[in-house]
Amino acid sequence: GAGVSQSPSNKVTEKGKDVELRCDPISGHTALYWYRQSLGQGLEFLIYFQGNSAPDKSGLPSDRFSAERTGGSVSTLTIQRTQQEDSAVYLCASSLQGHGYTFGSGTRLTVV
Amino acid sequence: DAKTTQPNSMESNEEEPVHLPCNHSTISGTDYIHWYRQLPSQGPEYVIHGLTSNVNNRMASLAIAEDRKSSTLILHRATLRDAAVYYCILFKSGGSNYKLTFGKGTLLTVNP
Repeated sequence: GAGVSQSPSNKVTEKGKDVELRCDPISGHTALYWYRQSLGQGLEFLIYFQGNSAPDKSGLPSDRFSAERTGGSVSTLTIQRTQQEDSAVYLCASSLQGHGYTFGSGTRLTVV
Repeated sequence: DAKTTQPNSMESNEEEPVHLPCNHSTISGTDYIHWYRQLPSQGPEYVIHGLTSNVNNRMASLAIAEDRKSSTLILHRATLRDAAVYYCILFKSGGSNYKLTFGKGTLLTVNP
């Protein structure tokens, strides 16, 4: 597609449930990034993929968070046993190495 | 990482030019100056970037001081659609440096 696609756009889940967030990057973009943005806050880096490997997972807040990327394309961010503090907008971006990022519109996660 | 300093907020009138400042006194020779903006309820959007020379594109102009310790994003004629948070970010292109680190940015309000 022409842009970065994220699904779902909105997700409401009960505390303790697992959720999966999907990111479809721009075709050919080798780098993929996940960020999250809590209400009224700045963007917090979570993880970076180059191809299918993740050289930097330093931003993942806890071991409940994991991410994978397959075929150098689609990425899935999984949050296990969701907590209320996980509520945020999760943003995915892709880029060609060394070029500007293109962000998706995000997934708004609400944990109730 | 070298840091940037931006005003928390600025206000402009529609159809007038806007000059958004950014200080980056600890910039290194290999740091590019990137600008992104985030419209309400959207992911960030790449605006422009430069290294040493002033840059122009269809969205904006970037004026970089001769000593590179500051830069200014120029919107030539502000529209209501330009109301957003503008982020000035230093970014080393290539090598192992790949991660955009977002600060708090400048909230631009455009008055009709």
